[in-house]
Amino acid sequence: EPEVTQTPSHQVTQMGQEVILRCVPISNHLYFYWYRQILGQKVEFLVSFYNNEISEKSEIFDDQFSVERPDGSNFTLKIRSTKLEDSAMYFCAGASPLYNEQFFGPGTRLTVL
Amino acid sequence: GIQVEQSPPDLILQEGANSTLRCNFSDSVNNLQWFHQNPWGQLINLFYIPSGTKQNGRLSATTVATERYSLLYISSSQTTDSGVYFCAVEPSGGYQKVTFGTGTKLQVIP
Repeated sequence: EPEVTQTPSHQVTQMGQEVILRCVPISNHLYFYWYRQILGQKVEFLVSFYNNEISEKSEIFDDQFSVERPDGSNFTLKIRSTKLEDSAMYFCAGASPLYNEQFFGPGTRLTVL
Repeated sequence: GIQVEQSPPDLILQEGANSTLRCNFSDSVNNLQWFHQNPWGQLINLFYIPSGTKQNGRLSATTVATERYSLLYISSSQTTDSGVYFCAVEPSGGYQKVTFGTGTKLQVIP
């Protein structure tokens, strides 16, 4: 069964550094999402992406964040200058054009020191 | 924005017991999903259920969209059911902006 993959599984970085989180969605999915989950809290929507454009973004998704689908298979989230409060689990998800049932990747745990 | 509240926040069950988890939402929705977050942090799809009733083994779910709630039933609970259960909704006209509920943390003890 196809599944969403994410790399790396765990990323440790210094405050102020740039990080890129990578996702490979299921091949027939056309809608893509990033979420984050601070330890012990609920999952928070960051951004949705369709047809190479951002469809919707939350208040969290400020100018420090960007998303890209560089090559038709990968979907990336970049954080330009990480802050301590960016430490969280980041999930990628995708959905097909027929149903908006979202399928999640296993997540990348980002630790900012 | 839409508010999504889940109850109870915490639940401890004896193995074999049944339970009902509730998800209330404050506005009309296009889509609703239930997820199980296992102890390793993975989000596992349980149901895609914007309306109606579905069953999958020991689990079933019902969404009454007109009354803005959804229920997840777990029967004959097992220790592997432990984890956090989230509902997630996409509001009508929400342009794919999905809001997760506050979660129900379930612990099933032998």
